[in-house]
Amino acid sequence: AQSVTQLGSHVSVSEGALVLLRCNYSSSVPPYLFWYVQYPNQGLQLLLKYTTGATLVKGINGFEAEFKKSETSFHLTKPSAHMSDAAEYFCAVSDTTGGTSYGKLTFGQGTILTVHP
Amino acid sequence: DTGVSQNPRHKITKRGQNVTFRCDPISEHNRLYWYRQTLGQGPEFLTYFQNEAQLEKSRLLSDRFSAERPKGSFSTLEIQRTEQGDSAMYLCASSLKKNTGELFFGEGSRLTVL
Repeated sequence: AQSVTQLGSHVSVSEGALVLLRCNYSSSVPPYLFWYVQYPNQGLQLLLKYTTGATLVKGINGFEAEFKKSETSFHLTKPSAHMSDAAEYFCAVSDTTGGTSYGKLTFGQGTILTVHP
Repeated sequence: DTGVSQNPRHKITKRGQNVTFRCDPISEHNRLYWYRQTLGQGPEFLTYFQNEAQLEKSRLLSDRFSAERPKGSFSTLEIQRTEQGDSAMYLCASSLKKNTGELFFGEGSRLTVL
């Protein structure tokens, strides 16, 4: 069975500061990993994903994440926080069979990011 | 360009009543998923369809829950004899068959059972 643990249900940063949201996963097969973001009253939207290849992946709005197999981690970072980054962020892992995913995701519990002026 | 649409957005019902939610996926997407999200938790997988075929159901989906996608387009999720524990946000998502797990989510249907 797969699982995802997000360390810290709430993270607060100042505008312009580094954003670091932590995610650890467990999976018995090579995982596909995702970060989704949910703004208030909106649906979840994909921020970035790792499938194969380069372990440092870049997403929208200046976010990036690094897949570290040895640490089973996929932490999300952004060098400089903006007020508009305030949202809830979810890390997720997908089942893969034969190197493909059919979209069944296991999500972490989410991290609410607050950005202070 | 329309995304995934869900209706109703909010539903308040009394315990024991039946409710039905509808999801209209992105038109060219042949995979459709239902997830449930409770307060303070991430979404949990309920079931998924490829075209009209329901290919997997989670054990979370009790026999009071039924999902259909009769023509491979829109889908409905019905909950019979609702219980207070059914109160949650029900999320629908869609994707292409050949995908790397990227899902496109609707805004969800919030159910409150009194």
